Amino acid sequence: GAVVSQHPSWVICKSGTSVKIECRSLDFQATTMFWYRQFPKQSLMLMATSNEGSKATYEQGVEKDKFLINHASLTLSTLTVTSAHPEDSSFYICSAPGLAGFGEQFFGPGTRLTVL
Amino acid sequence: SQQGEEDPQALSIQEGENATMNCSYKTSINNLQWYRQNSGRGLVHLILIRSNEREKHSGRLRVTLDTSKKSSSLLITASRAADTASYFCATDEGHDMRFGAGTRLTVKP
Repeated sequence: GAVVSQHPSWVICKSGTSVKIECRSLDFQATTMFWYRQFPKQSLMLMATSNEGSKATYEQGVEKDKFLINHASLTLSTLTVTSAHPEDSSFYICSAPGLAGFGEQFFGPGTRLTVL
Repeated sequence: SQQGEEDPQALSIQEGENATMNCSYKTSINNLQWYRQNSGRGLVHLILIRSNEREKHSGRLRVTLDTSKKSSSLLITASRAADTASYFCATDEGHDMRFGAGTRLTVKP
């Protein structure tokens, strides 16, 4: 099956710094990727839809200037958490759709962000 | 925003028993999917059921869909300790996907 990777798997940073998280589709191309965040013992909340070659679409309540998304190629999307604060600490997961028409999503293993 | 709601929120059973989780959703869907998540890990796709299907099987998994009630159930038969995880239903909105709150299943050996 299709594989999606994320890097790093975990990161600890100081408050005020920026952190970049990469999401790669390893054996398929993805014109669209999705970014989710998940707080402990809670569900996944869609943050934004990353579109190759165009601007990302953000969900209501998600600050686009804080969570910068760049979909530079058909296999790579990046999420940059700018000026991170402790409340940004969360589990960030990306996904990419499978074959068109099947509806399946392939998820990355997630990135645990801890902001001190 | 979330689409589906699972119940129960948590379920604890003995190995060998069956586990049933339910999911309700609000809008029309093209398909509904169930995913599994081990603690602190990514999601693993379990099964997809289309809106024109009523039941689907995959190994020890059985999923039903009732579009008139906007609900789905996931049955895991003959559970194993390794089935301990959180289970989420997800509904599609085009290419977009919305997740329910999840059911945390604990299978005791």
